[in-house]
Amino acid sequence: SQTIHQWPATLVQPVGSPLSLECTVEGTSNPNLYWYRQAAGRGLQLLFYSVGIGQISSEVPQNLSASRPQDRQFILSSKKLLLSDSGFYLCAWSMLTGLSYNSPLHFGNGTRLTVT
Amino acid sequence: QQQVKQSPQSLIVQKGGISIINCAYENTAFDYFPWYQQFPGKGPALLIAIRPDVSEKKEGRFTISFNKSAKQFSLHIMDSQPGDSATYFCAASSAGGTSYGKLTFGQGTILTVHP
Repeated sequence: SQTIHQWPATLVQPVGSPLSLECTVEGTSNPNLYWYRQAAGRGLQLLFYSVGIGQISSEVPQNLSASRPQDRQFILSSKKLLLSDSGFYLCAWSMLTGLSYNSPLHFGNGTRLTVT
Repeated sequence: QQQVKQSPQSLIVQKGGISIINCAYENTAFDYFPWYQQFPGKGPALLIAIRPDVSEKKEGRFTISFNKSAKQFSLHIMDSQPGDSATYFCAASSAGGTSYGKLTFGQGTILTVHP
């Protein structure tokens, strides 16, 4: 079965510090990978998605970037964190065929980032 | 046109009651409508989903009702239990076009079921 791992679970970082969040998927090949952010415990905002190694699409201009160095690894980064980057960051995956009734989106358990 | 509007923002139900959450969309290209359940500190988990060629999908105590002409769909939780207390998200996507591979989420409903 497929599993998705995110770490760390919680992170407290000062303003201006760098960020690196990692996500890996096991049990599947060539997945679509996604980074979402959830602010104030509510809505889900798509930040980046990737359909393959080195292929990243950005949804929202921001202080963040994403990379996919390996097929099942997705990394969210920032060079200098802002207070507004605080939130709950979720990695997700789906089959390469895209989202459908037979290919749902699966989320990891997230990273709670607090920028102080 | 990409929005999915969800209501209510919060809902309080007594144990054994029916919880109803509604969503409306505008993009007629949407063809996949899942619902996610999220407990505090956890990622959302797929609860139930429906395709637009059916009007209702039932799994246990959870039912999706879909009205294509009105561009609305809803989640009904029968015999609501305290363990159902969570945040629920509706979502939609299309198999093609600019929405390919992306889910558009509603803003979420915080459900509290009192014992």
